[in-house]
Amino acid sequence: AQSVTQPDIHITVSEGASLELRCNYSYGATPYLFWYVQSPGQGLQLLLKYFSGDTLVQGIKGFEAEFKRSQSSFNLRKPSVHWSDAAEYFCAVLPEVGGGGNKLTFGTGTQLKVEL
Amino acid sequence: EAQVTQNPRYLITVTGKKLTVTCSQNMNHEYMSWYRQDPGLGLRQIYYSMNVEVTDKGDVPEGYKVSRKEKRNFPLILESPSPNQTSLYFCASSSPGGARGYTFGSGTRLTVV
Repeated sequence: AQSVTQPDIHITVSEGASLELRCNYSYGATPYLFWYVQSPGQGLQLLLKYFSGDTLVQGIKGFEAEFKRSQSSFNLRKPSVHWSDAAEYFCAVLPEVGGGGNKLTFGTGTQLKVEL
Repeated sequence: EAQVTQNPRYLITVTGKKLTVTCSQNMNHEYMSWYRQDPGLGLRQIYYSMNVEVTDKGDVPEGYKVSRKEKRNFPLILESPSPNQTSLYFCASSSPGGARGYTFGSGTRLTVV
């Protein structure tokens, strides 16, 4: 069965510093990959997604992620963090069409704290 | 505006009192799903539906029921809620395959006392 690992439960960074959130997946093929953000008391917002092609994908709010097939990873990055980025971040995987239906499997999340 | 609407946003209930959380989407999506979110566990799928009258269990279906009589609606039913069902619930919908991404509702915070 597919699984997603986010090894960092909590991360604290200073405002203006760079950020990298780690995500590793376990799946037989290359799945579709997503990053979602959940601000306090809010629902889930899609930051970016990877299906194929260029392994560096750009998302909203200045985020980007890089797919590395050899490492089964899809790490999220931001060059300069803003205080408003404090939130919980979820990595998620979706099997390719026909390879398991529509089931979106989430990691356990990384809570980001930004120090001013 | 394309959206998934859940109601209520907050609900406190007592053990054993049946409740329904409604979910409606206006995107004509075939696929709908319910997740629960618990600290340290991320989001886990409860039930999903591939289309009208087609539903199936997800990873944590015990204690829940769903129905899909219309394409736009996918209610979550707790016939006899228990305290271990205290959680944050999300409804989501997507087009077939999910490749365009899921659209999530705003969540329902359920407390069972």
